[in-house]
Amino acid sequence: ETGVTQTPRHLVMGMTNKKSLKCEQHLGHNAMYWYKQSAKKPLELMFVYNFKEQTENNSVPSRFSPECPNSSHLFLHLHTLQPEDSALYLCASSQESILAGGADTQYFGPGTRLTVL
Amino acid sequence: EDQVTQSPEALRLQEGESSSLNCSYTVSGLRGLFWYRQDPGKGPEFLFTLYSAGEEKEKERLKATLTKKESFLHITAPKPEDSATYLCAVQGSSNTGKLIFGQGTTLQVKP
Repeated sequence: ETGVTQTPRHLVMGMTNKKSLKCEQHLGHNAMYWYKQSAKKPLELMFVYNFKEQTENNSVPSRFSPECPNSSHLFLHLHTLQPEDSALYLCASSQESILAGGADTQYFGPGTRLTVL
Repeated sequence: EDQVTQSPEALRLQEGESSSLNCSYTVSGLRGLFWYRQDPGKGPEFLFTLYSAGEEKEKERLKATLTKKESFLHITAPKPEDSATYLCAVQGSSNTGKLIFGQGTTLQVKP
């Protein structure tokens, strides 16, 4: 198992609900990411945080709202979702931002399986 | 536009039958090419990072190689526990930490 944990592992919600996904990394990394993985599609980057600052929003609808209170924790707040938002949501972390130059490896959590009814 | 294409989509092998998975990519300024393994219902597990053409890395029955246009993941004498989806991703100089993933190759190894 990796040093990135996610809760809950499974979530079922109605379109009018508000819920939050939580991610915590125990690797001492400075960058954190949210990805969406839908069936038969490649992983899609949603948000990037470097040193608690959001550096990328990959045209994600406003019904997804990220929050990064510190370099170890990342949240994804969900509200008024659509059935097509059902997917596996993955959190990842890396040592340093790409802004510092050079590639760095991202380590993933186990994911939250989200079902929107 | 950065792009990654993996082939085949699915691969069935008999235990001990060696084969290769392909990852073709286009990227402006490759910073790194990554291989991950993903089991059903789990997050991707990091396998290798390759940085430049000609580089090779090995781990148990897996060997990853890199050219300027593609990467191969060679699986030697696979076992049933190697069954998983293998993901390839690239990180380019124009992207702030963004990994561009391929669709993956689902490998099934039969005993």
